[in-house]
Amino acid sequence: SQQGEEDPQALSIQEGENATMNCSYKTSINNLQWYRQNSGRGLVHLILIRSNEREKHSGRLRVTLDTSKKSSSLLITASRAADTASYFCATDGGSYIPTFGRGTSLIVHP
Amino acid sequence: DAGVIQSPRHEVTEMGQEVTLRCKPISGHNSLFWYRQTMMRGLELLIYFNNNVPIDDSGMPEDRFSAKMPNASFSTLKIQPSEPRDSAVYFCASIEDGATNEKLFFGSGTQLSVL
Repeated sequence: SQQGEEDPQALSIQEGENATMNCSYKTSINNLQWYRQNSGRGLVHLILIRSNEREKHSGRLRVTLDTSKKSSSLLITASRAADTASYFCATDGGSYIPTFGRGTSLIVHP
Repeated sequence: DAGVIQSPRHEVTEMGQEVTLRCKPISGHNSLFWYRQTMMRGLELLIYFNNNVPIDDSGMPEDRFSAKMPNASFSTLKIQPSEPRDSAVYFCASIEDGATNEKLFFGSGTQLSVL
């Protein structure tokens, strides 16, 4: 069964704009991870946030975690056409077994 | 390191045939996962190995699916007999530390089409 679900399913923006994707999950977690998938390729790890952390940054990426609401958000600032991809959150349901949502498809128009 | 290597990259077969997908994890990684990706169901966990031992196979759809990991550098996922509804992209992923399962490394996947 899928633990996390991303929202929106699809997002279309212009280059330079910020992109925000959300992830909601059902049970307690040890950590939450965000991955990126380019068309026809495997997923690539972007960032991990632990259950006792509230915010984390990596380059143009900013991740927040609200364990009381069981939700996380991924913000990509100053988006580029190369950011076009699908983005997935992975949660472990407290078992350290990563399960994924259906992803958010992001299109950044040049 | 070459990363996680999956073969074949594409497989087209007819219903009823046996299909074997192969995976070589990153050297030194002690956990391996098989996932299946479809438009309808997203990315589903099929089975998870730790130190070559199957830990959780609750995601394996039915008895037609089986997975093995005879050693730390090789795993197979077999479907016998295959059915059209098995058409999907199958991913293998490995992790260095199976205790926390942080940061999965994915292969490029096998695109399976069952006609």
